[in-house]
Amino acid sequence: SQTIHQWPATLVQPVGSPLSLECTVEGTSNPNLYWYRQAAGRGLQLLFYSVGIGQISSEVPQNLSASRPQDRQFILSSKKLLLSDSGFYLCAWSGTPLADTQYFGPGTRLTVL
Amino acid sequence: SQKIEQNSEALNIQEGKTATLTCNYTNYSPAYLQWYRQDPGRGPVFLLLIRENEKEKRKERLKVTFDTTLKQSLFHITASQPADSATYLCALEAGGGNKLTFGTGTQLKVEL
Repeated sequence: SQTIHQWPATLVQPVGSPLSLECTVEGTSNPNLYWYRQAAGRGLQLLFYSVGIGQISSEVPQNLSASRPQDRQFILSSKKLLLSDSGFYLCAWSGTPLADTQYFGPGTRLTVL
Repeated sequence: SQKIEQNSEALNIQEGKTATLTCNYTNYSPAYLQWYRQDPGRGPVFLLLIRENEKEKRKERLKVTFDTTLKQSLFHITASQPADSATYLCALEAGGGNKLTFGTGTQLKVEL
């Protein structure tokens, strides 16, 4: 069966510090991968999605970036965090097509102070 | 512009009753629509998918309808239980097999 992991589970970072969140998927090959952010009381905002290694599509211009160095690894990064980057970050995977059912990880709660 | 609307107010119902949640959308022509459940501090969990040529779909105590003329989906939980308390999200495929777009969700509280 497929499993999706995210770490860390929680993170408190000062403004201006770098960020690296990691997501890995087990039990499937060539998944589509997604990063979402959910602000408190808000909906899911799609940040990035990837259909293959090195292929990243950005949905919202911001100071975040994503990379997919391996088939089942997806990384969300920032060089300098802003207060507005605080939120609940969720990684998800799906089969094809892109709009297929998505399976979410446990999430990372990021607080920028 | 494209919009997905779910009732932002929490829905409180009594145990045993049927809960009905609404998802309305504008300027979309989705080939299918999905419903997810999200518990506090957790990622959403897929519940049901209904295609544009399906009027209704059922899974145990869950029922989803999809009216492409009204641009609306209704999500029903029959014989509701306190364990059904959660936020329920609808999601649309954005057309052409592109990514999903999620609504903001409706919080359901089932009281004893």
